[in-house]
Amino acid sequence: AQTVTQSQPEMSVQEAETVTLSCTYDTSESDYYLFWYKQPPSRQMILVIRQEAYKQQNATENRFSVNFQKAAKSFSLKISDSQLGDAAMYFCAYRGNRDDKIIFGKGTRLHILP
Amino acid sequence: NAGVMQNPRHLVRRRGQEARLRCSPMKGHSHVYWYRQLPEEGLKFMVYLQKENIIDESGMPKERFSAEFPKEGPSILRIQQVVRGDSAAYFCASSPLMADNSPLHFGNGTRLTVT
Repeated sequence: AQTVTQSQPEMSVQEAETVTLSCTYDTSESDYYLFWYKQPPSRQMILVIRQEAYKQQNATENRFSVNFQKAAKSFSLKISDSQLGDAAMYFCAYRGNRDDKIIFGKGTRLHILP
Repeated sequence: NAGVMQNPRHLVRRRGQEARLRCSPMKGHSHVYWYRQLPEEGLKFMVYLQKENIIDESGMPKERFSAEFPKEGPSILRIQQVVRGDSAAYFCASSPLMADNSPLHFGNGTRLTVT
């Protein structure tokens, strides 16, 4: 069975600095999709970024980028120029190519220090 | 284009009562997923439905929980004889027919409190 592991329950970063959130996963599939979701205090789940496993190029969305290491089954999220509005829970998620459900990690709570 | 709509936002039930949670997917989406989030935990998959069909219910507790997605109307997650351990946030998500790499679009969740 596929699993997603986020080893950092909490992290803090100074405003305007860069922070990296870690995620590893376990799968026997070669084709799959990876996501990072953000959950602010409002509880809404917001898609931050997505990556297809067959693409070697790391996905980027403005200040958010990923470091996708397929062989190591690692999918970290880098947030540049951190802003107060980035404070939230961040969930790493996996979806297999033959499976429609998305599996989530336990999350990392990110604090932004002014 | 309205997003995924869940209601109620908050639901309080006494032990032994029934809880009914509703979810209307985004327009054009025919796949619905239900997830449960316990405090300080990630989202745990419960069930995946298409119109009138349960596709995958591997995350549903065997007793007291049921889900449906009728031809007309919202998807319903039903919890009978609720217990305190059922207190959680329940999220519904939807995706279009051709799911490929489409992310799930989430509703704002229903927070169920069992007293």
